[in-house]
Amino acid sequence: GAGVSQSPRYKVAKRGQDVALRCDPISGHVSLFWYQQALGQGPEFLTYFQNEAQLDKSGLPSDRFFAERPEGSVSTLKIQRTQQEDSAVYLCASSLRDRHNEQFFGPGTRLTVL
Amino acid sequence: SQQGEEDPQALSIQEGENATMNCSYKTSINNLQWYRQNSGRGLVHLILIRSNEREKHSGRLRVTLDTSKKSSSLLITASRAADTASYFCAPLGGYQKVTFGTGTKLQVIP
Repeated sequence: GAGVSQSPRYKVAKRGQDVALRCDPISGHVSLFWYQQALGQGPEFLTYFQNEAQLDKSGLPSDRFFAERPEGSVSTLKIQRTQQEDSAVYLCASSLRDRHNEQFFGPGTRLTVL
Repeated sequence: SQQGEEDPQALSIQEGENATMNCSYKTSINNLQWYRQNSGRGLVHLILIRSNEREKHSGRLRVTLDTSKKSSSLLITASRAADTASYFCAPLGGYQKVTFGTGTKLQVIP
């Protein structure tokens, strides 16, 4: 596809479950970003990859959050032992080179933790 | 982190009118980007202005940048109902991570 895709689009999890959210960036894009967006708020930065290297994970809210991009393309954001406060839209974005470039966003995954 | 703060928080105008929204930031930048988010969707990049530029146009969009005041403005001319969305600015510089503000929610009334 031409754009960034994310799956699933919607995820409902019971508190305590683990979830995995997938991001397929635009082919050839070096940089990949994850954001968390609560209702009515702007996206909050979680983590940033350049190829397979995770250069910045300072936005991850706790050690229950883990992201990987093992081959420098597809990325997975994993949340362990989900809590209600994890309910949000998780956005993935990619850019051609570094973080200073235009970012192309996916449609997001809406996570609801019951 | 470098966070852009958009102002006003909400703006309601009639179709055909112009809409102006502002962004302020705190530290030096390489460039500043504006994004639009329609309800329930991802962000769409609108325009990028570099730190050595003062004004940039793209279709009905006009962006200005004043680095001395650390501020930017986005003007949408001849607004349409389809412009209804939230607008975010993203100031970028050095190795700072980008944190978006709460955005300006624009409503264009047909």
